[in-house]
Amino acid sequence: EDQVTQSPEALRLQEGESSSLNCSYTVSGLRGLFWYRQDPGKGPEFLFTLYSAGEEKEKERLKATLTKKESFLHITAPKPEDSATYLCAVHRYSSNTGKLIFGQGTTLQVKP
Amino acid sequence: DAGVTQSPTHLIKTRGQHVTLRCSPISGHKSVSWYQQVLGQGPQFIFQYYEKEERGRGNFPDRFSARQFPNYSSELNVNALLLGDSALYLCASSLGLTGSYNEQFFGPGTRLTVL
Repeated sequence: EDQVTQSPEALRLQEGESSSLNCSYTVSGLRGLFWYRQDPGKGPEFLFTLYSAGEEKEKERLKATLTKKESFLHITAPKPEDSATYLCAVHRYSSNTGKLIFGQGTTLQVKP
Repeated sequence: DAGVTQSPTHLIKTRGQHVTLRCSPISGHKSVSWYQQVLGQGPQFIFQYYEKEERGRGNFPDRFSARQFPNYSSELNVNALLLGDSALYLCASSLGLTGSYNEQFFGPGTRLTVL
């Protein structure tokens, strides 16, 4: 069965303290892995899509990487405004559907 | 350019009632997907429509239905509401179904509360 697991569930960092969020997946044929940021009570905001193992993408203080079994979201020198829930999702090979399977998210709190 | 829009923002209903949620995709996007997000969990896939055809259905009862209109906007209907239907309902639009065309952009959501 397709499964996406994120760890840790919650993460508290001091401003400037770099860390990584993990997304491990079990899916039969990965077509794409997506990272989103979600602020409380709002819709997810698209960050990155990764398509093949070894691929990396960066945006400001965020860097996403992908292996055959997991993805990491590295946060370098985070600021309080990076506080949010980070969601990862996978799109698997299947017949003509773009269905995304989400993990439960990692809630990040960055303290000044 | 306007992003994905959803209406209403909030909705309060009682058990057994019916609800209709609406979504307008980003201009040029032909696919709309619906997700349910319960507090503390990731979004769960309900439906996807592409070019007005259903292209995916999640593990939800038949009380849930949807459709897509010629202008690519979409409606999600839920009949016979249960307390467990209380959630944030998210609409996402994308250009298509595969590769970068499946990069899904979400609206702000509709918060449904069932009493």
